[in-house]
Amino acid sequence: RKEVEQDPGPFNVPEGATVAFNCTYSNSASQSFFWYRQDCRKEPKLLMSVYSSGNEDGRFTAQLNRASQYISLLIRDSKLSDSATYLCVVNPSGTYKYIFGTGTRLKVLA
Amino acid sequence: GAVVSQHPSRVICKSGTSVKIECRSLDFQATTMFWYRQFPKKSLMLMATSNEGSKATYEQGVEKDKFLINHASLTLSTLTVTSAHPEDSSFYICSASPPGQGDSYGYTFGSGTRLTVV
Repeated sequence: RKEVEQDPGPFNVPEGATVAFNCTYSNSASQSFFWYRQDCRKEPKLLMSVYSSGNEDGRFTAQLNRASQYISLLIRDSKLSDSATYLCVVNPSGTYKYIFGTGTRLKVLA
Repeated sequence: GAVVSQHPSRVICKSGTSVKIECRSLDFQATTMFWYRQFPKKSLMLMATSNEGSKATYEQGVEKDKFLINHASLTLSTLTVTSAHPEDSSFYICSASPPGQGDSYGYTFGSGTRLTVV
């Protein structure tokens, strides 16, 4: 089993739609979780950290389910500019190393 | 916010030559920096952890003599791809974070270096 798994997509959704991505992780001791966004041929940029209580930033909501070992990202009212690859990132406990998922491609269509 | 600068953004070199990539933390000191490689449509793979003042820690399968890392100051780490071959062509990205913040607030990435070996 991969340490971090994501559905590669692509998810093609119309503007204004709500879309959700899940990401599963294998190390139950993992403590830190993040969603990064990566545009084509660019570096990843932090979208949001994922807290145990869940967190929301505008149209974006991230949640953590420790029992089932997954994190989720919900995007409401999708914009064309949301088109990108969304990377799930897990930081295993006791290390400074990030483990990246392969990313989920999102294409928002006009 | 934390800013990480990476240079060059793009380089084309001939087989057998060496290429040096720089990663700088502009507004903070980084005792640790990370070097990643990303192949097209693949995820980022950690190559090594660069430690200021000591030897880098390489991930399994990464040749330390091929990918030389130097972290001589608290704001600069360099990755040198020695005797480059076409299979080394990839997107190389560094990341860093102010001490103690990476776990909670995430790491900042440099803009990446696209290496093409011809």
